[in-house]
Amino acid sequence: DAKTTQPNSMESNEEEPVHLPCNHSTISGTDYIHWYRQLPSQGPEYVIHGLTSNVNNRMASLAIAEDRKSSTLILHRATLRDAAVYYCILRDGSLYNQGGKLIFGQGTELSVKP
Amino acid sequence: SAVISQKPSRDICQRGTSLTIQCQVDSQVTMMFWYRQQPGQSLTLIATANQGSEATYESGFVIDKFPISRPNLTFSTLTVSNMSPEDSSIYLCSVTGTGNRWNTGELFFGEGSRLTVL
Repeated sequence: DAKTTQPNSMESNEEEPVHLPCNHSTISGTDYIHWYRQLPSQGPEYVIHGLTSNVNNRMASLAIAEDRKSSTLILHRATLRDAAVYYCILRDGSLYNQGGKLIFGQGTELSVKP
Repeated sequence: SAVISQKPSRDICQRGTSLTIQCQVDSQVTMMFWYRQQPGQSLTLIATANQGSEATYESGFVIDKFPISRPNLTFSTLTVSNMSPEDSSIYLCSVTGTGNRWNTGELFFGEGSRLTVL
């Protein structure tokens, strides 16, 4: 499985933007870049995903490098509720290679200061 | 989206016993997965639950220890057999979405079953 590399932890101030980086230099053509977050005492929740183009949704934006070897999750205005562990995961979108499963790394623990 | 219910939400068990965790989804889903999250750690994939056939286990996990059933497209069970304190973890069920993008879109997670083995 392709691997991702994230910083162990990051700090942010409330109401400021946060850029969470992820390196995935061995990404393959069928890998989708997924981001999930896990709030304390909860199961992971989906944040955003993309293949090649930048993506926006109500929670965040995903900026994908042109060579796809790195990506950045952008929270436009951090709130205290955004404090969580953020996981960047490559999900194999192929149908015939046991595609579909998520293999979690250690993630980035984001703390938000008031 | 998919709504996932896991039972039990938590339990305390004695060493040597077995516990079955249930995962019920409110809609038919293509793939179901079981994860384990040990205290302070990330999630580890145990297996993919296949409907009507044996589960596909990840390296380090075996059917005798973690038997899995998936009788239909909305339900699965994970049994933790012959438990030891090292099995104390949160066990989570995860499912793909429905429709044509099941293999590329988001996954949904249950709240988890917190298991403590004494």
